[in-house]
Parts: sequence; structure tokens; C-alpha cells
Amino acid sequence: DAGVIQSPRHEVTEMGQEVTLRCKPISGHDYLFWYRQTMMRGLELLIYFNNNVPIDDSGMPEDRFSAKMPNASFSTLKIQPSEPRDSAVYFCASSYHQETQYFGPGTRLLVL
Amino acid sequence: AQSVAQPEDQVNVAEGNPLTVKCTYSVSGNPYLFWYVQYPNRGLQFLLKYITGDNLVKGSYGFEAEFNKSQTSFHLKKPSALVSDSALYFCAVRDIRAGNNRKLIWGLGTSLAVNP
Repeated sequence: DAGVIQSPRHEVTEMGQEVTLRCKPISGHDYLFWYRQTMMRGLELLIYFNNNVPIDDSGMPEDRFSAKMPNASFSTLKIQPSEPRDSAVYFCASSYHQETQYFGPGTRLLVL
Repeated sequence: AQSVAQPEDQVNVAEGNPLTVKCTYSVSGNPYLFWYVQYPNRGLQFLLKYITGDNLVKGSYGFEAEFNKSQTSFHLKKPSALVSDSALYFCAVRDIRAGNNRKLIWGLGTSLAVNP
């Protein structure tokens, strides 16, 4: 398996623009997680899905952030409008029952 | 409330020496415990986990961890450190009683530097 795939790997945008991050989980996995990593706050869980349904979105910072999972093989995290404080590395991870989460390589976002 | 503590921001060890990266946790019930490693500019990689059974868990790259219920600890160890082990290490916990809640509680990470 190719592992968790994320795109783009790097994104530079200007404040106010819309940003869409994409994730393809490992085939057969039924849980998908979106994380954000910064030096200041460490690793934060933003939202996770089970069988394409959002289960816990308590970590989503504010209404500017939204996530969708239209099918078992694709998820998006959208920031609209983006702000400089959203600059971070965003990780997607997936798992299947056994608890172990497998992480993608991350998207490094810089908002100018 | 569930929590994880990694008391050391950084650990320095000489190559060939044993290493320990500490983790303590707090959950209401019995824990599921995990260690992950993150190399520079990479995603987190799973190292090992404790679910049940033997308190000593062996994982990838020669790492092992010992679950100590009385001390609520799950320290990561390796008998002989390699320079290539230099990375950021994360401990995570989930309360078994959380049922279908798959949310992990993460430590802030410990930076391991192995000196040649």
C-alpha cells in the first residue's frame, strides 16, 4: 500500500485566500484524522471521521475551518479565509480498529 | 481528565549508550499507550503500542517500552543508541473506557539527540 497520501506537500498563500488540503487514507481504513502541528502548540487533533462521518470536531479552531469526507478514499480540510496564524504543518492519519494511526507526510502551509 | 506528560523537552545521549525517553499518563480506566517517532520534515511513524498482555513491548528499530501501571509510566528505551535515532518522539494515550472514541491524547514530544 502507498500509505496515507496528502497533497499538496507545500502551500504558500496570501492572507484571505482559500486553502484546500487533501488526503487519501490507506485503503480499508475506517478512521481518518486531521492534525495540526506547530512549535507553539505541538500536535493538535482538529477532527476525525469514522466511516466518513465526523465524530469529534471539537479541535477545529473556528468557523473558518471545515472538513469533509465524501467517500472512504478522500477527505479535505478547507480554510476560508486563511490567516497567518494558520501557518503550520497539517497531517492526515488513518486507522483501522487496531488503534494504530498511520500518518501521511503532511502539508506545510505558509500564509503570508 | 486524560493527560500525557513527557517531562523532558530534550534528551542527549552518546552513540552506543542506552537511551530512555520518559512518558507518564493519566486516564480514568486502563490505557492504550503508543510511541511515535518523527524525523525532520516527515510525518509521524508508529514505533510500538501497549494494549494488554506483557508489560514489556518491543517495537520497530530495536526500541522497547515498559508499561508500569503503579507508576503510570510508559518509558521508551533502546539498549544502544544510533545517531540515526535522533528525532522527535511522541507518547500518546487513549482510555479503554472511551469505547469507540478513537481520540488519542498526545504528549508534547521529546527531542532525542544522539551524539557520535
